[in-house]
Amino acid sequence: EDQVTQSPEALRLQEGESSSLNCSYTVSGLRGLFWYRQDPGKGPEFLFTLYSAGEEKEKERLKATLTKKESFLHITAPKPEDSATYLCAVGHLKAAGNKLTFGGGTRVLVKP
Amino acid sequence: SQTIHQWPATLVQPVGSPLSLECTVEGTSNPNLYWYRQAAGRGLQLLFYSVGIGQISSEVPQNLSASRPQDRQFILSSKKLLLSDSGFYLCASTTSTASDTQYFGPGTRLTVL
Repeated sequence: EDQVTQSPEALRLQEGESSSLNCSYTVSGLRGLFWYRQDPGKGPEFLFTLYSAGEEKEKERLKATLTKKESFLHITAPKPEDSATYLCAVGHLKAAGNKLTFGGGTRVLVKP
Repeated sequence: SQTIHQWPATLVQPVGSPLSLECTVEGTSNPNLYWYRQAAGRGLQLLFYSVGIGQISSEVPQNLSASRPQDRQFILSSKKLLLSDSGFYLCASTTSTASDTQYFGPGTRLTVL
């Protein structure tokens, strides 16, 4: 059974204080690893898809990396508007309907 | 570009009442469609998914049901709501150009009293 664990559950940062979020996964055949950002009361917003170990993707202050067992979302010099819950999900190669398994998320609060 | 609509945005219903939540997608065709529930401070639980009209797969046994009467319409229903049905309901869709990526709608906040 696919499993996704995100850590830490919550992260408080000062503006400009860089940090990383971890997503550990167990899947027998990885179709893709997905990162989303979710603001309170809203639907998740797609950020990145990573397909193979060693792959990296960047968007503004966010950089996602992937190994065979985990993915990291690095937030460089965060701003208060980066405050959100970040969700990680994995897709299995043989999952019917391209289903995803989500982790519990990391709540990030960036204080000015 | 794709747009996902969910209706209503918020809903307060008494225990035992029926439920109908609607999701419609614009800007793509033949999408995979998904219904998720998110409890407060928790991750996303997949409830149903559909790969085509009339094709529904259930992930969690419960008193909810789903239907897909049109290519870009997905409906979540219940005959009798339970207190435990409260939560944030999200509809997601793939696109014709990104069949492995799910994009989410704005969600429906359901409170069962």
